[in-house]
Amino acid sequence: DTAVSQTPKYLVTQMGNDKSIKCEQNLGHDTMYWYKQDSKKFLKIMFSYNNKELIINETVPNRFSPKSPDKAHLNLHINSLELGDSAVYFCASSQAWTGNTIYFGEGSWLTVV
Amino acid sequence: QQQVKQSPQSLIVQKGGISIINCAYENTAFDYFPWYQQFPGKGPALLIAIRPDVSEKKEGRFTISFNKSAKQFSLHIMDSQPGDSATYFCAASGDKIIFGKGTRLHILP
Repeated sequence: DTAVSQTPKYLVTQMGNDKSIKCEQNLGHDTMYWYKQDSKKFLKIMFSYNNKELIINETVPNRFSPKSPDKAHLNLHINSLELGDSAVYFCASSQAWTGNTIYFGEGSWLTVV
Repeated sequence: QQQVKQSPQSLIVQKGGISIINCAYENTAFDYFPWYQQFPGKGPALLIAIRPDVSEKKEGRFTISFNKSAKQFSLHIMDSQPGDSATYFCAASGDKIIFGKGTRLHILP
């Protein structure tokens, strides 16, 4: 009965590869997010979707492309992976766009070698 | 204007002591102030939250103190326990949510 689930949990890949992280929420929320957490633990928002529409696209390289096939899913595809992409990526959701609790998944540990 | 400044960056407290983490914001449009707790290997999870119409909210050993005029809010953990060792993030939400940079709290047994 996991609320926000993301796969894979761990991903080790070589520079230049393309990879995807999948996310699903079963909370019935309208808004979903992707956050990046670096080694210093800083949480940085990357994208936000509300009812499948892109709301926030923070200054993220266009190698990162989110896709929301429906309200319950928000996948992240990364092209031409670079060493600096190594981080923990968190999917999250909230009931509405503002002023609500954000529920995070357990994270996907991406290591680019 | 959209930043949330959090301090200290790291904190070590003896078991049974009081842990205090402070945050400050500038945007007066923020209307929801949550605190998140993150254990190693896990995602952040909501710990406690406050809206600006009250000055304090308490849930068990955790208390948020909110000073609207100073645009500051803080988390107090009473009787800190080793199980409280985690990273804590304050946040402020308006048209979007802004997170502080986190505080790594370590409670000595």
